[in-house]
Amino acid sequence: DQQVKQNSPSLSVQEGRISILNCDYTNSMFDYFLWYKKYPAEGPTFLISISSIKDKNEDGRFTVFLNKSAKHLSLHIVPSQPGDSAVYFCAASETEAAGKSTFGDGTTLTVKP
Amino acid sequence: EAQVTQNPRYLITVTGKKLTVTCSQNMNHEYMSWYRQDPGLGLRQIYYSMNVEVTDKGDVPEGYKVSRKEKRNFPLILESPSPNQTSLYFCASKGRWYQDTEAFFGQGTRLTVV
Repeated sequence: DQQVKQNSPSLSVQEGRISILNCDYTNSMFDYFLWYKKYPAEGPTFLISISSIKDKNEDGRFTVFLNKSAKHLSLHIVPSQPGDSAVYFCAASETEAAGKSTFGDGTTLTVKP
Repeated sequence: EAQVTQNPRYLITVTGKKLTVTCSQNMNHEYMSWYRQDPGLGLRQIYYSMNVEVTDKGDVPEGYKVSRKEKRNFPLILESPSPNQTSLYFCASKGRWYQDTEAFFGQGTRLTVV
């Protein structure tokens, strides 16, 4: 039973446009969510996070939205740049669950010049 | 430079030959974790450690062992590797397990078991 799902394996957008990456979860106990970016031959690097007490968090071109009732979060990248081309992982954790983290399958974003 | 270092980066081995993948962090983090990445399955947690001498199973611990004798190191041990353990492995660390903060990942170890 996959508790965190990224239903789009890939996404292609034009440079300058908005990229929207989606993530759904089933465990209502998840209360902290993160997005990581991964380039080929490198480890994932942290991008942005959101706590369940918020519904939005912004950091420059990156914004994460959380809809708790729908158990859905999304990452918006505006404007998209070719350097954003990477695999994006959504991750979730329960503060009370003592260290376990659950990741989605990842979405490969390609930003075309 | 703050980093998580895994060794080796690439390893090809034969079925049944014990191996260890090392992981070291220089950030004085209490929490460390191992993941494997497989196509279509994302990152799955193997084992994690909340502090020295404290380890626990993640979602896919079968066939793996870990130890946490000192804060900076968290080796992953495959006592008898099998082909289904061919994967890309990542080690990660963060300050404390209960902190809502991001994890720092190593560069990965690509393991092939033939």
